[in-house]
Amino acid sequence: GAVVSQHPSWVICKSGTSVKIECRSLDFQATTMFWYRQFPKQSLMLMATSNEGSKATYEQGVEKDKFLINHASLTLSTLTVTSAHPEDSSFYICSALLLDYNEQFFGPGTRLTVL
Amino acid sequence: QKEVEQNSGPLSVPEGAIASLNCTYSDRGSQSFFWYRQYSGKSPELIMFIYSNGDKEDGRFTAQLNKASQYVSLLIRDSQPSDSATYLCAVNRNTGNQFYFGTGTSLTVIP
Repeated sequence: GAVVSQHPSWVICKSGTSVKIECRSLDFQATTMFWYRQFPKQSLMLMATSNEGSKATYEQGVEKDKFLINHASLTLSTLTVTSAHPEDSSFYICSALLLDYNEQFFGPGTRLTVL
Repeated sequence: QKEVEQNSGPLSVPEGAIASLNCTYSDRGSQSFFWYRQYSGKSPELIMFIYSNGDKEDGRFTAQLNKASQYVSLLIRDSQPSDSATYLCAVNRNTGNQFYFGTGTSLTVIP
């Protein structure tokens, strides 16, 4: 399958700071990437759909000014959690869409802990 | 009504048995169906996809799709303890690249 990486794999930050998470498709170009959040023992929750060269589409209830998404190239999307708070602590997972096969491949996830 | 529904489980089967995981979806226009496996603390990994009615086999895994009943299932033959994980069903409408995930079924294979 296609390979998607995320960086960092885990991060601890202080409340009020911002954290940037990178998602890269390593062996294919992805015009569409997705960002998910998953709290412990809960299901995946789609936060936003990131499209290369255009604004991200956010799901209802997700603050676009707090979760900044940039998809500047066909292999990189970034999610910036601004002014992080402890309730933002979660497992953030990106995925990239392999368009020819309409398959979604997930990155390994980033575990964010906000103190 | 949720787009994709799965029994949350937990589902327990003895080692060597067949595990059957089920998923229903609400949109008849759905065209692509996926099964992902997620180990605790890890991200989902794609196991199988199916587009056409009927069965699709890959090793110990068989996906079954019935579009008339809006039902997709995953069978795991000769279940192993390493199959213990949460299995996510996902459905794609092929419009706007929208994927819908079920809440997942937790499977435990008992040695």
